[in-house]
Amino acid sequence: GESVGLHLPTLSVQEGDNSIINCAYSNSASDYFIWYKQESGKGPQFIIDIRSNMDKRQGQRVTVLLNKTVKHLSLQIAATQPGDSAVYFCAEYSGTASKLTFGTGTRLQVTL
Amino acid sequence: NAGVTQTPKFQVLKTGQSMTLQCAQDMNHEYMSWYRQDPGMGLRLIHYSVGAGITDQGEVPNGYNVSRSTTEDFPLRLLSAAPSQTSVYFCASSRDRRAEAFFGQGTRLTVV
Repeated sequence: GESVGLHLPTLSVQEGDNSIINCAYSNSASDYFIWYKQESGKGPQFIIDIRSNMDKRQGQRVTVLLNKTVKHLSLQIAATQPGDSAVYFCAEYSGTASKLTFGTGTRLQVTL
Repeated sequence: NAGVTQTPKFQVLKTGQSMTLQCAQDMNHEYMSWYRQDPGMGLRLIHYSVGAGITDQGEVPNGYNVSRSTTEDFPLRLLSAAPSQTSVYFCASSRDRRAEAFFGQGTRLTVV
């Protein structure tokens, strides 16, 4: 996973603060969205998903918000920890295209 | 439970050489896929399979072949490696194409 990083937008947050990572998606027909976390040298790991008939879904310390009007997705991480430092990808799935399309990613850096 | 296992982790090839990247999963997932990850471009789908004996092209299939003779294995073949194929390759599997995808650790391939 280290090859993804040269041109990534980076979000720096202090430990304990909340993080908000944003994603704009392209296909208004997309009906399923996923957030993945990728730590250095590892494959992407599923965090949370949301279907297009929902506008909010909560997990453990994470919340995904979906705004279909402006085609925007966000991932909120509460009480950010050093272990949250990683690259975060959103992905959209379109049933008509039958494929999952990944965004380019955002690097989250947690400072102590 | 091993999940998705990719081999090798690192490989250097000379232009024109061929090789096979191995991928195996032990979760009895029907859907498997191969992605490549390049700086600033996120993950791009190369080939995918919805079950044993069935494969299809993704977004960037040129230069790659796949086969799916068993549910567990989904090898990716480079017939004649080119420098443009230098990338990090990820294999993923999921219950179906909409479900949570589990990724392998990746193969970092360099073609010189």
